[in-house]
Amino acid sequence: EAGVTQFPSHSVIEKGQTVTLRCDPISGHDNLYWYRRVMGKEIKFLLHFVKESKQDESGMPNNRFLAERTGGTYSTLKVQPAELEDSGVYFCASSQGQGFPGELFFGEGSRLTVL
Amino acid sequence: DAKTTQPPSMDCAEGRAANLPCNHSTISGNEYVYWYRQIHSQGPQYIIHGLKNNETNEMASLIITEDRKSSTLILPHATLRDTAVYYCIVELSNFGNEKLTFGTGTRLTIIP
Repeated sequence: EAGVTQFPSHSVIEKGQTVTLRCDPISGHDNLYWYRRVMGKEIKFLLHFVKESKQDESGMPNNRFLAERTGGTYSTLKVQPAELEDSGVYFCASSQGQGFPGELFFGEGSRLTVL
Repeated sequence: DAKTTQPPSMDCAEGRAANLPCNHSTISGNEYVYWYRQIHSQGPQYIIHGLKNNETNEMASLIITEDRKSSTLILPHATLRDTAVYYCIVELSNFGNEKLTFGTGTRLTIIP
């Protein structure tokens, strides 16, 4: 069974440009999460989808970040325009949810470098 | 903010049991203890979780004190591949809304 896959693995862009990160969760997982670690900081929650609906987006830093999950399958996280402080590793995770508390499956992450 | 306190680093000899402590003195009755690890630059990996009772799976054992204010993750026979940062996380289980709060974790180094 395929795990959580993220694309791209590494993206280098200039300040002011736009980047879109993609996450494909494990098939059948209704819950999808985005987390990120910026340089020297802890891994932080960004938002949570249940199917196509945003359940909790309290961790989104500002309105330059837009997450979507069309059809309840894969998700995209767009940063527009990117700033230097957005550099870091963005992790996606998925879970079955009901009946399986706390077991999130993480992808390898997408490393974003903003120059 | 993280609700747990962990030592920043630990060493363990290969083949020995690695015992990673975690303090969570403010844990409430319906909060679970979760352990994750992050190997090098990979994504975090779930290890185990528990509420009150000790738990064991193929990866590790989790020992929770009777007052639930602290716990210990035990890797019974540590290998070099167990070198990683280990995170102890305390959260409510909302059966679908696992908003995990990662702290700084313990960097475990397995010594050959």
